[in-house]
Amino acid sequence: KAGVTQTPRYLIKTRGQQVTLSCSPISGHRSVSWYQQTPGQGLQFLFEYFSETQRNKGNFPGRFSGRQFSNSRSEMNVSTLELGDSALYLCASSSFRGQSEFSGANVLTFGAGSRLTVL
Amino acid sequence: QQQVKQSPQSLIVQKGGISIINCAYENTAFDYFPWYQQFPGKGPALLIAIRPDVSEKKEGRFTISFNKSAKQFSLHIMDSQPGDSATYFCAARWTSKLTFGTGTRLQVTL
Repeated sequence: KAGVTQTPRYLIKTRGQQVTLSCSPISGHRSVSWYQQTPGQGLQFLFEYFSETQRNKGNFPGRFSGRQFSNSRSEMNVSTLELGDSALYLCASSSFRGQSEFSGANVLTFGAGSRLTVL
Repeated sequence: QQQVKQSPQSLIVQKGGISIINCAYENTAFDYFPWYQQFPGKGPALLIAIRPDVSEKKEGRFTISFNKSAKQFSLHIMDSQPGDSATYFCAARWTSKLTFGTGTRLQVTL
């Protein structure tokens, strides 16, 4: 069973540019979440999509956006890049459908991440 | 509060020793507590997880101890091996969102 695939793995951008990152979840998983990982702030939740709808959102500015397609693949976009946006962006998928459902299988499976460097 | 506090920040353990990492949380709405292991260049991988109505869960050399009244939980790695050297994150789940601790860098020496 293929894992979560993120592309590109590495990219370098300059301030003011925008970037789009892609994530293909595990087959059958309809929930896709995005996290930002930095040495200073650790792992921080960006947003979560389920069936093409944003279901949950973290405390990031509007420059960070995302979307999910009908095949559950997801993209996130960061516009007007700042130096502080340099980070490892992690995508995770799960089969989690709702708060009332509990199962170990619903826990997130992460991809290897996209490392963004902003110069 | 959505914070999860994790300690220590780093840990050095000899091969064969016990590694212990502690976490504390505030939000009693959290309903699931996973631990993730992350190697350099990789995404975090689920190691073991526990529900708040269970006080202990063991999987091989890894054990989670959970104290609901104190709102604390810990990871014990028995017979620590050099291959366990990685960064460990505790987390707590509310709805579909995980709140992570700040991570513990574990180094297991020979």
